[in-house]
Amino acid sequence: NAGVTQTPKFQVLKTGQSMTLQCAQDMNHNSMYWYRQDPGMGLRLIYYSASEGTTDKGEVPNGYNVSRLNKREFSLRLESAAPSQTSVYFCASSPRQGDEKLFFGSGTQLSVL
Amino acid sequence: AQSVTQLDSQVPVFEEAPVELRCNYSSSVSVYLFWYVQYPNQGLQLLLKYLSGSTLVESINGFEAEFNKSQTSFHLRKPSVHISDTAEYFCAVSVGTGFQKLVFGTGTRLLVSP
Repeated sequence: NAGVTQTPKFQVLKTGQSMTLQCAQDMNHNSMYWYRQDPGMGLRLIYYSASEGTTDKGEVPNGYNVSRLNKREFSLRLESAAPSQTSVYFCASSPRQGDEKLFFGSGTQLSVL
Repeated sequence: AQSVTQLDSQVPVFEEAPVELRCNYSSSVSVYLFWYVQYPNQGLQLLLKYLSGSTLVESINGFEAEFNKSQTSFHLRKPSVHISDTAEYFCAVSVGTGFQKLVFGTGTRLLVSP
């Protein structure tokens, strides 16, 4: 039971570099989400995709872009990384928009130097 | 806008002792409330939820939470904790049917010692 798979688990970038965080779910869920987790701030929603073909901004979208490649995959791209984007990133999915149970991946720890 | 406050960043407790993790929310409309748990090096998992009906909700591993509308609280309790309960616990709130925009609290780290 893979559930939600995120890659990579760890990444170190230099300021200005770009990278894409990958997320895939094998539960046939319609909705997918990207959160970032920072000490003392809980989880904040970056972007979400209610269904294949749609994406919407969350609470903290600046500096990020997303792609819902197909029903399974939802990627998060940092075009020009900044130290403020040092965080732990979590991908999550749910069967449909409005379903309160989110299934989370194990996270990507990103450091931007 | 709704918000969630978890006043305790860390709660140390001895094994088999009772514990309460506090959560308060602010919202002027009806809310749905959740507790998620994050074990070390893992993603979050739904622990329990309040949507409607009975104000006392329980999880399968002995935790319970009570929705108190007058005090705008949703505290998590367990009468006797185990070492395996060591984890970070997040309270979350969603207003109306907008579940896709859960608002999370800052988390409480529960540390259970033998």
